[in-house]
Amino acid sequence: NAGVTQTPKFRILKIGQSMTLQCAQDMNHNYMYWYRQDPGMGLKLIYYSVGAGITDKGEVPNGYNVSRSTTEDFPLRLELAAPSQTSVYFCASSYSSRTDTQYFGPGTRLTVL
Amino acid sequence: RKEVEQDPGPFNVPEGATVAFNCTYSNSASQSFFWYRQDCRKEPKLLMSVYSSGNEDGRFTAQLNRASQYISLLIRDSKLSDSATYLCVVNQAGTALIFGKGTTLSVSS
Repeated sequence: NAGVTQTPKFRILKIGQSMTLQCAQDMNHNYMYWYRQDPGMGLKLIYYSVGAGITDKGEVPNGYNVSRSTTEDFPLRLELAAPSQTSVYFCASSYSSRTDTQYFGPGTRLTVL
Repeated sequence: RKEVEQDPGPFNVPEGATVAFNCTYSNSASQSFFWYRQDCRKEPKLLMSVYSSGNEDGRFTAQLNRASQYISLLIRDSKLSDSATYLCVVNQAGTALIFGKGTTLSVSS
């Protein structure tokens, strides 16, 4: 049982490039989330999903897209990367509601230059 | 008033000390509360939930004061391994979890 896994661990992008951050969980959780964490700041919710095929915006969705084709996977797509997207990205999951305990992946450190 | 506020610290304490962290929240309809721990350059992990009657887990005690919209975490007999950032997390009226910015603890020998 690996829990929540994320790839890659680190990535450097040039301005205007695109990439997909991968997230998978093997706990059969219905809810999945993407957060970003900037230095000295709290976690900000980007997007979340309540099940396969259903996604919704969080607090800071601009510049990102998501899809949820399976229960296990929840990739985050960055289009036209900007320096403001330099951050640590965490994927998380919970079993039955948005207020349940959330389990986090190890994070992806992204730098946009 | 910010949704979840914490003193950022850092709190620098010697081993064996008792330290307390406070957190206030703005939404009186909040229903569930948690403390998460985040080590440097790692993901947040659940430390403990906070119940209305207060709860204890070994050296850690969490308390909730709904009237004052205030949550606390007490750590007794601090260990070097307790050095981390502690995140206060509040359920926003049943719709989402709101994370505080965290309080940093450094325990020294």
